[in-house]
Amino acid sequence: GAVVSQHPSRVICKSGTSVKIECRSLDFQATTMFWYRQFPKQSLMLMATSNEGSKATYEQGVEKDKFLINHASLTLSTLTVTSAHPEDSSFYICSARDGTADNSPLHFGNGTRLTVT
Amino acid sequence: GQNIDQPTEMTATEGAIVQINCTYQTSGFNGLFWYQQHAGEAPTFLSYNVLDGLEEKGRFSSFLSRSKGYSYLLLKELQMKDSASYLCAVMDSNYQLIWGAGTKLIIKP
Repeated sequence: GAVVSQHPSRVICKSGTSVKIECRSLDFQATTMFWYRQFPKQSLMLMATSNEGSKATYEQGVEKDKFLINHASLTLSTLTVTSAHPEDSSFYICSARDGTADNSPLHFGNGTRLTVT
Repeated sequence: GQNIDQPTEMTATEGAIVQINCTYQTSGFNGLFWYQQHAGEAPTFLSYNVLDGLEEKGRFSSFLSRSKGYSYLLLKELQMKDSASYLCAVMDSNYQLIWGAGTKLIIKP
């Protein structure tokens, strides 16, 4: 089945630094990838939709200058949390659809737990 | 507004059957997904319903009634490894996924 690889799985960084998270589709091409954030005991929150070869689409309330998204190829999207602060500590998960249909199920990466000290 | 409701937590016994309900109000409907999420891990796809009725897949079944805005996930022969959160998500008319907060299922021996 479709596999989405996300790296790193855990990262601890100091306040003010930047962190890059990679998301790769290993056995399929993904023109669109999705970045979610999940706080403890809460639902997944869509942050942005990453589009290969074009700018990402950000959800309302998500700062595009703080959460930089680059979708450089059909198999790789990156999320960079710039100037991280403790309130950015969260579980970040990427996903992609295996298939061209809009209602194809999402396949998720294993997530990145970010802790900002 | 758009809304997905599912119970926050449920408890069941190993070997038993449990039904997790999900009700929704969304702008249009293009299908309903169920995902399983173990603590600290990403969600994994369980099922997709777009037509009314029951879809069976091994120990797990999912039911949909579009007229009632209602779905349930049925888990049979519960195993300890089924302890996880179960997320209901509806795809609206714009093919955007609306996520429920998840139901934490606790399995007791």
